[in-house]
Amino acid sequence: AQSVTQLDSQVPVFEEAPVELRCNYSSSVSVYLFWYVQYPNQGLQLLLKYLSGSTLVESINGFEAEFNKSQTSFHLRKPSVHISDTAEYFCAVRQPSGGSNYKLTFGKGTLLTVNP
Amino acid sequence: DTAVSQTPKYLVTQMGNDKSIKCEQNLGHDTMYWYKQDSKKFLKIMFSYNNKELIINETVPNRFSPKSPDKAHLNLHINSLELGDSAVYFCASSQDIQGLGYGYTFGSGTRLTVV
Repeated sequence: AQSVTQLDSQVPVFEEAPVELRCNYSSSVSVYLFWYVQYPNQGLQLLLKYLSGSTLVESINGFEAEFNKSQTSFHLRKPSVHISDTAEYFCAVRQPSGGSNYKLTFGKGTLLTVNP
Repeated sequence: DTAVSQTPKYLVTQMGNDKSIKCEQNLGHDTMYWYKQDSKKFLKIMFSYNNKELIINETVPNRFSPKSPDKAHLNLHINSLELGDSAVYFCASSQDIQGLGYGYTFGSGTRLTVV
């Protein structure tokens, strides 16, 4: 079965510092990976995804993630964070769920707190 | 216009009651989902429907009964509520069962508190 592991439950950083949120996956077949962000009291929003092609994927707000097959990782990075980036970040993998059905399976989340 | 809307946003009820949560999407998606997020923020899929047909049922107690009157709506009815049902319930949709494309679009959640 495919799964994802987010290695850090909380990551505190100062504003304008770089950040990396770690995600490792386990899969024996083609893998499709996602990062979602959840701001306080809101639903999840898709940040970026890796389906195929370039291993470096970017979001519109400065985040990027690199698919690394040899290390089975999909870490999320941002070179300079803002206070508004404070949120819960979830790594997810698309997983087969019987027949031709699929589901997104999420990691346990990483709370990014950006301090002034 | 809200893409995936859930009602109510908050629900406080007593143990043993029956309650429903409604979800509607205006994206024209074929597939809809219910996820449960517990107090530790862990997200777990409960059900998935594709074009009104149940395709995923993840070992959820049969007190939970989803209903999809059409592909734009997926409601969740819960009988005999228990304390452990307290959580945030998220509805989501995707273009199709592949769930790739634009990924899943989530609603803003329904916070259920059972007292």
